[in-house]
Amino acid sequence: EVQLVETGGGLIQPGGSLRLSCAASGFTVSSNSMGWVRQAPGKGLDWVSVIYSGGAIYYADSVKGRFTISRDNSKNTLYLQINSLRVEDTAVYYCARVRITSSSNYMDVWGKGTTVTVSS
Amino acid sequence: SYELTQPLSVSVALGQTASIPCGGNNIVSKKVHWYQQKPGQAPVLVIYRDSNRPFGIPERFSGSNSGNTATLTISRAQAGDEADYYCQVWDSSTDVVFGGGTKLTVL
Repeated sequence: EVQLVETGGGLIQPGGSLRLSCAASGFTVSSNSMGWVRQAPGKGLDWVSVIYSGGAIYYADSVKGRFTISRDNSKNTLYLQINSLRVEDTAVYYCARVRITSSSNYMDVWGKGTTVTVSS
Repeated sequence: SYELTQPLSVSVALGQTASIPCGGNNIVSKKVHWYQQKPGQAPVLVIYRDSNRPFGIPERFSGSNSGNTATLTISRAQAGDEADYYCQVWDSSTDVVFGGGTKLTVL
């Protein structure tokens, strides 16, 4: 069964750091493009970052310089390192498999999400 | 940057047809994808590339794309279809773009 399981969320003070993990099963992370989407409480979906199967990486402007996406092929796991956390980073963070078609990427598998709360 | 516009809410009577629009400049030139999100759950892909249904999604869900508006259509609406629906496209400058989401209420 194709599945994604996120871990690593929690309550963290502003300025702190966290590393989110997304363990995949049923498919190989290294052979796929993978991304992170977040959702602030009561708000819509917000694209965060993607790592393409070939290694190229994209970040949303709101997280550029603070977030780092990576993967460990041996563990079949995707990561999101979040530094210099801000209150506005409070959200549920979802990882997703990204399907790449001709100029039309979309997410076909989603994890259940992990909650990050930034508060003093 | 490319923007997608969705109404905050749409209502439909039980058993009737719901249409959820997603507006964007010349959106017909892009492929549109749709996600359903029920409270407390992760999003689920219900339509990809304008009008294709993933395995397991009922035929009641369909999509179209024309001009400046893409539309998700839900036929014979059921109480279980109540959810937030998001449209999404890919843009070369900003990568993935989501619409603001539409809350569907089944009356």
